[in-house]
Amino acid sequence: NAGVMQNPRHLVRRRGQEARLRCSPMKGHSHVYWYRQLPEEGLKFMVYLQKENIIDESGMPKERFSAEFPKEGPSILRIQQVVRGDSAAYFCASSPPGRDYGYTFGSGTRLTVV
Amino acid sequence: EDQVTQSPEALRLQEGESSSLNCSYTVSGLRGLFWYRQDPGKGPEFLFTLYSAGEEKEKERLKATLTKKESFLHITAPKPEDSATYLCAVQAYPFLGSGGYQKVTFGTGTKLQVIP
Repeated sequence: NAGVMQNPRHLVRRRGQEARLRCSPMKGHSHVYWYRQLPEEGLKFMVYLQKENIIDESGMPKERFSAEFPKEGPSILRIQQVVRGDSAAYFCASSPPGRDYGYTFGSGTRLTVV
Repeated sequence: EDQVTQSPEALRLQEGESSSLNCSYTVSGLRGLFWYRQDPGKGPEFLFTLYSAGEEKEKERLKATLTKKESFLHITAPKPEDSATYLCAVQAYPFLGSGGYQKVTFGTGTKLQVIP
């Protein structure tokens, strides 16, 4: 069982570019969650998805950020026109069907905007 | 809104020196309280789930306890490999109109350093 796979591990983007972060949940898991972590801050919830559905996006900025979890393939967190303040570690977690707690986290993608 | 406050922010212990980490929470109906360990550059690793006051869970040198307002993570005779940031998180029961789901809210963590 490969666990939750995130790629890339590190991503550098210039201001104004797009960032695409990918997350493949654990085998058998159908719930995906994205969190953002800034230095010296806690994990901040962004969005919760199930296959082809966004369940809760209350933590995601309404502009420039979007997320999807298609029927086939990984979940994608997309940040358009990145700014320096988007620099952070982005973590994806997953849980099995019928259980939306006790997550398994990936190793994260560290986004640096220069 | 659910709130989680962890203390201390940082803790430095000598190897073998037992101590406790605190997690105070405010939530409207606790469904579960979770402890995670996070090593530098890695994602959080799940440790325990506690569901009701009085419950205790143990794993090696770690023991988690829960009251109605806070949780403690007791570390007995810690070793250098226990050095990490320990995160506490809570989830409330879904309420009518929430779609059957409540997000998990994390605290900012306690950074533990165990000196040989």
